[in-house]
Amino acid sequence: NAGVTQTPKFRVLKTGQSMTLLCAQDMNHEYMYWYRQDPGMGLRLIHYSVGEGTTAKGEVPDGYNVSRLKKQNFLLGLESAAPSQTSVYFCASSYSLQGSEQYFGPGTRLTVT
Amino acid sequence: GENVEQHPSTLSVQEGDSAVIKCTYSDSASNYFPWYKQELGKGPQLIIDIRSNVGEKKDQRIAVTLNKTAKHFSLHITETQPEDSAVYFCAASIGSNYQLIWGAGTKLIIKP
Repeated sequence: NAGVTQTPKFRVLKTGQSMTLLCAQDMNHEYMYWYRQDPGMGLRLIHYSVGEGTTAKGEVPDGYNVSRLKKQNFLLGLESAAPSQTSVYFCASSYSLQGSEQYFGPGTRLTVT
Repeated sequence: GENVEQHPSTLSVQEGDSAVIKCTYSDSASNYFPWYKQELGKGPQLIIDIRSNVGEKKDQRIAVTLNKTAKHFSLHITETQPEDSAVYFCAASIGSNYQLIWGAGTKLIIKP
């Protein structure tokens, strides 16, 4: 099992450009999450999904959109990138929502200039 | 909003000694408290967790204690080894969707 995979690993964008980050999991998990990690701030939840076709806002959703068309995939989109979105993005998945281990991907380092 | 405070931000201990990392949380309804370890260039990985109906949990060299009255919980690592060097994050669940709120992380350095 590959677990949780993310593509790409690194990306540099100019302000105003758009991009999509792809997350895939092969553990048949219902729940998937997108976090951003900034120095000194831990992880912050952007959006999450409780199943195929569903999405919900997390702690810091502004400037991001997500889609979960297939159970195994969770896409994170930036429509118009801003320097404040420079961060490391992690995708995670879990078997259940309450008190369940989250399995993380290796992360995507995004720089917006 | 709800938050989790984690201390210290950096901890340096001699190999073989014990390390303790502490977190406090603000939401009295929180009932799940995981600890994650993040190695350089990787995603976080769960190392131990505790639920609100338990005061202490141990797994070999790792233990977590929870004080619900004071709203704080701690990670204890005994007999530290070089492979324990990493960044450790605490988290607490909040709200009806059990979202995790994360601490800012502790960089643990094991000195040989």
